[in-house]
Amino acid sequence: QQPVQSPQAVILREGEDAVINCSSSKALYSVHWYRQKHGEAPVFLMILLKGGEQKGHDKISASFNEKKQQSSLYLTASQLSYSGTYFCGTRAGGTSYGKLTFGQGTILTVHP
Amino acid sequence: NAGVTQTPKFQVLKTGQSMTLQCAQDMNHEYMSWYRQDPGMGLRLIHYSVGAGITDQGEVPNGYNVSRSTTEDFPLRLLSAAPSQTSVYFCASSYSGQGHQPQHFGDGTRLSIL
Repeated sequence: QQPVQSPQAVILREGEDAVINCSSSKALYSVHWYRQKHGEAPVFLMILLKGGEQKGHDKISASFNEKKQQSSLYLTASQLSYSGTYFCGTRAGGTSYGKLTFGQGTILTVHP
Repeated sequence: NAGVTQTPKFQVLKTGQSMTLQCAQDMNHEYMSWYRQDPGMGLRLIHYSVGAGITDQGEVPNGYNVSRSTTEDFPLRLLSAAPSQTSVYFCASSYSGQGHQPQHFGDGTRLSIL
């Protein structure tokens, strides 16, 4: 079952912030975040493991709330290069080689 | 170091034809997978493999076959192409690493079934 991402689309001006959420009905072992530019392959951003840790990557960070089975991706002081589609991928708990299931994606557009 | 290589990049088929999408990685990754991407649907897992000789089904396996005879290669076979299989197909690989490891994607194969 696919995780659910919200919102489906976000439009920002350069310098504004955004939050993208990813929710699952299953107990999660890890959450992956990827960004995909139009016509290109998805590119890895970060992985969060159960334990509620928060990670950062330049001005992009993410958190993982194990109790709610939810992850959030935070984009601060957005740049034009942040435009693209963001996907969360989730691995359910209990298996070392579990399937990575992706959400439907959130389209982020940053305008000058 | 080429990473994940998919061939062909583009393909047009007629309904009922069969074909194989090729995927090769040179990173010695144990885990490989195939996804299809359709507008508004995200990336849906077709089949995956945790090592040579081991494969399993994903969310949308019908109409596709896979095999994994070597660590490097993971071909995807369309048995009898249907218009519903028109999509962009991505192959990905990673170390097994208990979910810690990022997936590396190929550039994709854009497939049209007429």
